[in-house]
Amino acid sequence: GDSVTQMEGPVTLSEEAFLTINCTYTATGYPSLFWYVQYPGEGLQLLLKATKADDKGSNKGFEATYRKETTSFHLEKGSVQVSDSAVYFCALSGPSNTGNQFYFGTGTSLTVIP
Amino acid sequence: DVKVTQSSRYLVKRTGEKVFLECVQDMDHENMFWYRQDPGLGLRLIYFSYDVKMKEKGDIPEGYSVSREKKERFSLILESASTNQTSMYLCASRLSGPREGYTFGSGTRLTVV
Repeated sequence: GDSVTQMEGPVTLSEEAFLTINCTYTATGYPSLFWYVQYPGEGLQLLLKATKADDKGSNKGFEATYRKETTSFHLEKGSVQVSDSAVYFCALSGPSNTGNQFYFGTGTSLTVIP
Repeated sequence: DVKVTQSSRYLVKRTGEKVFLECVQDMDHENMFWYRQDPGLGLRLIYFSYDVKMKEKGDIPEGYSVSREKKERFSLILESASTNQTSMYLCASRLSGPREGYTFGSGTRLTVV
């Protein structure tokens, strides 16, 4: 079945470092791909998405490109800030128009130190 | 600003109590979901609903029930709370369609003592 695998954390970076969080997926058809962010004590917020191959989603300095050939959707940011400390979830939405075909990765915790 | 609102941020209940967690969305979304989130276990789907009065079991429905009498409201019910139901509960909604993401509420941290 459909699934998402993301790199295990926790990840600790110094401020202004480059961030990559890997995400790969398994899916039938052509899923849409998402990154969500969860700040401490909060619910998840949509960070960015891409709905077809080669699309690049971007928001708040974060980017991810939908790579069908490698079934990947890696999250990147060129220069992280302390405020980016959070848990990041990769997710995919299956091709059906009905029901629940939404699959989350297990989350990657990021801590940015000054 | 569109949103999903969960009625309580923090809740403490006693073992055996019947507990209601309420969720309201103002986006006219057809689909609504209840997840629980526990350290090391990620997000686990409890129940979802794709229409008024319709419900489907998720991965871990045991010990829970749901109610959806109106499109905007989706309630999670713990019939007899137990300590292993201590968790963060997240409500979400989305439109139907493969390109649609979720909108989450802020979560309810439930402690059963």
